[in-house]
Amino acid sequence: DGGITQSPKYLFRKEGQNVTLSCEQNLNHDAMYWYRQDPGQGLRLIYYSQIVNDFQKGDIAEGYSVSREKKESFPLTVTSAQKNPTAFYLCASKDRGNQPQHFGDGTRLSIL
Amino acid sequence: RKEVEQDPGPFNVPEGATVAFNCTYSNSASQSFFWYRQDCRKEPKLLMSVYSSGNEDGRFTAQLNRASQYISLLIRDSKLSDSATYLCVVILTTDSWGKLQFGAGTQVVVTP
Repeated sequence: DGGITQSPKYLFRKEGQNVTLSCEQNLNHDAMYWYRQDPGQGLRLIYYSQIVNDFQKGDIAEGYSVSREKKESFPLTVTSAQKNPTAFYLCASKDRGNQPQHFGDGTRLSIL
Repeated sequence: RKEVEQDPGPFNVPEGATVAFNCTYSNSASQSFFWYRQDCRKEPKLLMSVYSSGNEDGRFTAQLNRASQYISLLIRDSKLSDSATYLCVVILTTDSWGKLQFGAGTQVVVTP
């Protein structure tokens, strides 16, 4: 089945720790995105990538980093600089053009 | 002013009734429009695209009003399972990828 896989489903971060969220897609989409969603709020764009080895900051990139070494993979690292990391993180991908995004089922990150 | 705005609701709807709600967008150059459904603590899932002439998918009808810059979603014969948050997505064609803009969502609660 084609789709987007995010792991882990739940993640806990200790003070001062970096954690990495995985996102893999087999839809052959060029573009991939990371969003953050806080309770009762809309989606906010963290980073996006339209091609391998290239990525762009979104609206709330501070405290996060990404890489895009393979077309299928777009991991997100939540660094210790992100002081309020507790949120629901969603990865998405899309084809070029006016196409909709497809989402993974998300990772919930909490602070220990 | 936000680029994409939705009434957050909640819209409380008796089972079997009809509910409709809008999403307004600020940029007249917006090209593509979608409705997503998001269940509590889950990822958004594509519900339907919105075409210029309006379109229907079962009990769901989507309309586009370019003159007044809004899209609408109407749900007929509401089911309990229709309870969710409905997100509108607008794509602004700035390049070959398009810039996606999300509304914060309209919550619908269908009651027995």
